[in-house]
Amino acid sequence: DAGVIQSPRHEVTEMGQEVTLRCKPISGHNSLFWYRQTMMRGLELLIYFNNNVPIDDSGMPEDRFSAKMPNASFSTLKIQPSEPRDSAVYFCASSFRGGRNEQFFGPGTRLTVL
Amino acid sequence: SQQGEEDPQALSIQEGENATMNCSYKTSINNLQWYRQNSGRGLVHLILIRSNEREKHSGRLRVTLDTSKKSSSLLITASRAADTASYFCATESQGGSEKLVFGKGTKLTVNP
Repeated sequence: DAGVIQSPRHEVTEMGQEVTLRCKPISGHNSLFWYRQTMMRGLELLIYFNNNVPIDDSGMPEDRFSAKMPNASFSTLKIQPSEPRDSAVYFCASSFRGGRNEQFFGPGTRLTVL
Repeated sequence: SQQGEEDPQALSIQEGENATMNCSYKTSINNLQWYRQNSGRGLVHLILIRSNEREKHSGRLRVTLDTSKKSSSLLITASRAADTASYFCATESQGGSEKLVFGKGTKLTVNP
């Protein structure tokens, strides 16, 4: 298995632009998590899905952030409009709920908003 | 807010020495997990210990859990330069949610 796949790996954009981050979870996993990591705040859970349904989005910072999971093999995290304080590494992780609940992380997308 | 708090924030040791990292948390948990992150990479799961377990081993890793003190420790024995990474504890709270709450990590440097 290729593991969790994220794209792009790096994104540099200007303030006000729309940013879309993509994630393909491990085949057979039924839970998907989006995290944000910064030096100041550490690793924060933004939202997670189970069986493609959003279960907890309490970590989504504000309405500028949205996430979708149209099917079991794809999810997006969108920021519109982006701001410099959104600069961070965004990780996607997947797991199989009902198993050991260990999460498998993708390599992350490093976002820089100028 | 972060539930798990690792201690120390940074640790530097020589190859061959043992490294011990601690984690404290606040609420009742189903399990506690340790993850490792190499610079510029995603986190990798190391070991999971359930709330009814007190100690677990995996290779050179030994994890303990004290639910009465709400604390856990990760011991890496006979450390190697390749163990250099950040180590995070993560807790899954009781109540059915599969959310993990991560601490800010311990940055371990193993000098050759």
